Parts: sequence; C-alpha cells; structure tokens
Amino acid sequence: AQSVTQLGSHVSVSEGALVLLRCNYSSSVPPYLFWYVQYPNQGLQLLLKYTTGATLVKGINGFEAEFKKSETSFHLTKPSAHMSDAAEYFCAVSESVNRGSTLGRLYFGRGTQLTVWP
Amino acid sequence: GAGVSQSPSNKVTEKGKDVELRCDPISGHTALYWYRQSLGQGLEFLIYFQGNSAPDKSGLPSDRFSAERTGGSVSTLTIQRTQQEDSAVYLCASSTSGLAGGRETQYFGPGTRLLVL
Repeated sequence: AQSVTQLGSHVSVSEGALVLLRCNYSSSVPPYLFWYVQYPNQGLQLLLKYTTGATLVKGINGFEAEFKKSETSFHLTKPSAHMSDAAEYFCAVSESVNRGSTLGRLYFGRGTQLTVWP
Repeated sequence: GAGVSQSPSNKVTEKGKDVELRCDPISGHTALYWYRQSLGQGLEFLIYFQGNSAPDKSGLPSDRFSAERTGGSVSTLTIQRTQQEDSAVYLCASSTSGLAGGRETQYFGPGTRLLVL
C-alpha cells in the first residue's frame, strides 16, 4: 500500500510570508499526486494534482507544487500567505499502475494545519 | 452544477444502534467512494463503487459496515450496532467514471459527522 508522509502537523506563518507544506510518498513507481484543502466543517477541495507532464503544477488560490521524482516529494508552496489560507491541507496519492487494488483509491497523509497570523 | 451532497450533516446515536448515511454523487458520475476521517486514523478509504461492477469493499473495518448503491447513483453506508470508535466524519466522493483510475479528480461532499455515545 502507498504511504504518504506530511512533515509537520501544524505550520504557522505570518500573512505575506512564504507557505511551504511538505509531502513525501513511499512508492518506487511514482503515483499520481494531489493536494486537497479542508476548511472547517467542510469537505475536501482539490487544490492541484500531478498526473503527467510538467512537474511544476499550478493550482487554485495561488498555490503550486513541484513533483520531484528523485526526492519522492510533492511539496506545496505559495509565495505570500493570506488569512483566508488558514485551513487543513492534505497530500494524497493514487496508484498509477495496477497493483490489484482500486486504482482510483486515494491514500492520504495525516494533514497539516496551516495557521496564518496577521 | 450541484456538487456531492450528503445527509444527514450530523448524527448522534447511542452505542448499539444502527445508522444510515446517504450520499448523492454529482450527476453523471459513475464512480463513488466512501472515506472515513477520524482523529486516530486520519483519512482512510472504505469502499468504492464503479458502474455496475462489484464494489471494492477492502477498506471496510468490520462486517458491521456495509454499503450499497442503487441505480448507479445514490449510495447508502450502513453501520450496524454502532460502537464509540465509529465516531468520525464520513466523506463521500465521486468521479467521472473511475475508468481512468487514479488520474481522475474526486469531488468530495461535506461529510456526515457521526457521534456514538
């Protein structure tokens, strides 16, 4: 099974500062990669995903992430944090090859709570 | 258009009672997933439906959990003889077909918050 590690369960930044949320996956075959955001009492909303092609992916709300195969990473960044970015962020992967389990099944990291200080 | 909807939004029940949670996927989406979000386990996969194929039940934690999908649309997750450890947020997601596997974006509903007393 896939394993996803998000370093730092809590990250705090000042408004206007760089946001960096880390995500590493375990598979030797690169999976498909996703970042979701969850606001309080809401479901998950897709920020961006990488399936193929350009390794730098741009998403909504000014977020972007870069797939680095050599580092098995897919870190999420935003140049300038805004108060409205405060939420919980989940990195997720799904299999890109058939290993006998549901191909579309998502494996999630434990999440990173982002706090933005004024 | 309308997103994934789930009902009820909150459910409080007593230990030992049965509960039913409902999911309405996005119209036309043939793939449907259930996940559970709990403090102890994080987000975990429960079950997957794709079209008329047999569901993938590999994530169901016990035989007290079951799910069905009627007419290829609405899905119901049933938990029998609820236990306190079943307390969690149950999330439903749908995607276009499931045939593109992991490439497809899953669209999540707001979840049902279940509290077992």
